[in-house]
Amino acid sequence: QQQVKQSPQSLIVQKGGISIINCAYENTAFDYFPWYQQFPGKGPALLIAIRPDVSEKKEGRFTISFNKSAKQFSLHIMDSQPGDSATYFCAASMRGDKLIFGTGTRLQVFP
Amino acid sequence: DVKVTQSSRYLVKRTGEKVFLECVQDMDHENMFWYRQDPGLGLRLIYFSYDVKMKEKGDIPEGYSVSREKKERFSLILESASTNQTSMYLCASSLFGGVSYNEQFFGPGTRLTVL
Repeated sequence: QQQVKQSPQSLIVQKGGISIINCAYENTAFDYFPWYQQFPGKGPALLIAIRPDVSEKKEGRFTISFNKSAKQFSLHIMDSQPGDSATYFCAASMRGDKLIFGTGTRLQVFP
Repeated sequence: DVKVTQSSRYLVKRTGEKVFLECVQDMDHENMFWYRQDPGLGLRLIYFSYDVKMKEKGDIPEGYSVSREKKERFSLILESASTNQTSMYLCASSLFGGVSYNEQFFGPGTRLTVL
């Protein structure tokens, strides 16, 4: 029940395309859902986060879509660029407790 | 800018050695974390601390211990290193106010190889 399932494990997208990464959870008590971005040789960094009282949050080309009834949330990267090539982790937590991370998605954007 | 530094980028140790991984943050954050990152398994929490001398077990604490004697420093200790502890170790810190509602800032990681 504490797991966050992330898919796909890897994703190849052409420049200008849309990248979509999906996550699913079981624990309905989760109330905070961040996405972290990790470039090779670096630690992860917070990209965008959402609380379950909204269904969508957009920051530039990055959008989180949240479906509370389906217990799923996804990251959409519009107009994907080679500089977006990185590993992306979704995560979830409840009531300020520790973060539970997904297994990661390696995104490669080709010119 | 928040800076989280880790003592080594790469470390090679032998089975049975005692290993110390050091982490320092410069933003006066209350919370500090140690994760290990393995392909296909994501980030798994080993230990965390929300105050000096305080520590809490994460999801995979077996074979590890931690020390936090000063607010800015959080050490991960492998009492007797084993080959299955070969991994990337990531340290992170965050402000207080719930352990995880605040952004976690990560260090660059230490890649530990145990031979």
